[in-house]
Amino acid sequence: AQSVTQLDSHVSVSEGTPVLLRCNYSSSYSPSLFWYVQHPNKGLQLLLKYTSAATLVKGINGFEAEFKKSETSFHLTKPSAHMSDAAEYFCVVGNYGGSQGNLIFGKGTKLSVKP
Amino acid sequence: GAGVSQSPSNKVTEKGKDVELRCDPISGHTALYWYRQSLGQGLEFLIYFQGNSAPDKSGLPSDRFSAERTGGSVSTLTIQRTQQEDSAVYLCASSKTAGVFQETQYFGPGTRLLVL
Repeated sequence: AQSVTQLDSHVSVSEGTPVLLRCNYSSSYSPSLFWYVQHPNKGLQLLLKYTSAATLVKGINGFEAEFKKSETSFHLTKPSAHMSDAAEYFCVVGNYGGSQGNLIFGKGTKLSVKP
Repeated sequence: GAGVSQSPSNKVTEKGKDVELRCDPISGHTALYWYRQSLGQGLEFLIYFQGNSAPDKSGLPSDRFSAERTGGSVSTLTIQRTQQEDSAVYLCASSKTAGVFQETQYFGPGTRLLVL
């Protein structure tokens, strides 16, 4: 079975400093991994996805994530945080064992950005 | 172009009543998904439709929950005899085709359901 674990429920950074949101996955197969962002009262938006191509994946708004098989990790990073990055971030894995459409979500990490 | 839309945006109902939630997927998307987001359980998959195939109902929490998709487009999620634990945000998503491993799922803004 597939699963994801987001290691921090809340991360707080200052504007202009780096962002690191941590995610570990478990999968019997080569996983498909995603990061989604949810701004308050808004829908989920895809930031980036990994589907066994390049291990370093670049997404929107300056975010990127690196797939590390040896560490079973898929951490999300950004060099410099903006106030507009304050939101909840979800690490997600595609469910091979379930339906073709099933996404399995982590519990989420709430990112706060201080001025 | 237009994204996934859902209605109503908010719904307050009394325990025991039935509710219907609507989802309009992106035009041309053949796959449609329902998820539920609640404080206690996080984001959970409920049901999935792909074209004219039988839906995958493996995530539905009880037989009070059902969904249909008419004409391969609009979908309705129905909750019968609502309970307080049904209070959550119900999210709909669509993608061009099946296969989460390649296709991006685009999410609607959700319907916030409160059962009193």
